[in-house]
Amino acid sequence: EAQVTQNPRYLITVTGKKLTVTCSQNMNHEYMSWYRQDPGLGLRQIYYSMNVEVTDKGDVPEGYKVSRKEKRNFPLILESPSPNQTSLYFCASSSETGTGVNTEAFFGQGTRLTVV
Amino acid sequence: AQSVTQPDIHITVSEGASLELRCNYSYGATPYLFWYVQSPGQGLQLLLKYFSGDTLVQGIKGFEAEFKRSQSSFNLRKPSVHWSDAAEYFCAVGAVDFGNEKLTFGTGTRLTIIP
Repeated sequence: EAQVTQNPRYLITVTGKKLTVTCSQNMNHEYMSWYRQDPGLGLRQIYYSMNVEVTDKGDVPEGYKVSRKEKRNFPLILESPSPNQTSLYFCASSSETGTGVNTEAFFGQGTRLTVV
Repeated sequence: AQSVTQPDIHITVSEGASLELRCNYSYGATPYLFWYVQSPGQGLQLLLKYFSGDTLVQGIKGFEAEFKRSQSSFNLRKPSVHWSDAAEYFCAVGAVDFGNEKLTFGTGTRLTIIP
């Protein structure tokens, strides 16, 4: 079954304690990205990756890091989490069409992060 | 840069009634448009997409959307809603922005169904 898997689904942590949210896809997709969802703001892109070792900032990258060492995995790292990073996070993957535009993005189930 | 506006934050409809969710976009070239649905506690599921061709697109779960270039709109419709349609709906435009194949989302419309 084609899927994007995020872990953990729920996480409560304290300010300043480094954490990693994992994301893995089994569709051999080139393109992966992270979004955060906040009430009244919709989903905003944090970081994206067009392929292995190719990553770049999205709209709200401050306080986050990513890596893409393997095609299937795209972890999101919060080196020093703060309360304003409390949010619902989604990982997504898609394949390049040749036109250079998303065909369909597949989303993970989400990770609800609370930073106290 | 592209943007998406969903003017209705919350809509309530009766079960069996028709539904229309509004979406307006801003993008300089031909847009690639999507509607996603998010059920409580779930991720986002693609309902339908428009890339080119017929401006009326059919999706899953009985939904359809019509692309109107002159109005920069991509409204989602369903002739008769079911209680299971209660969810949050997101319109998105896909575009290449300096090599970033990015989805820009609207702020969402929460749909409540009453018996």
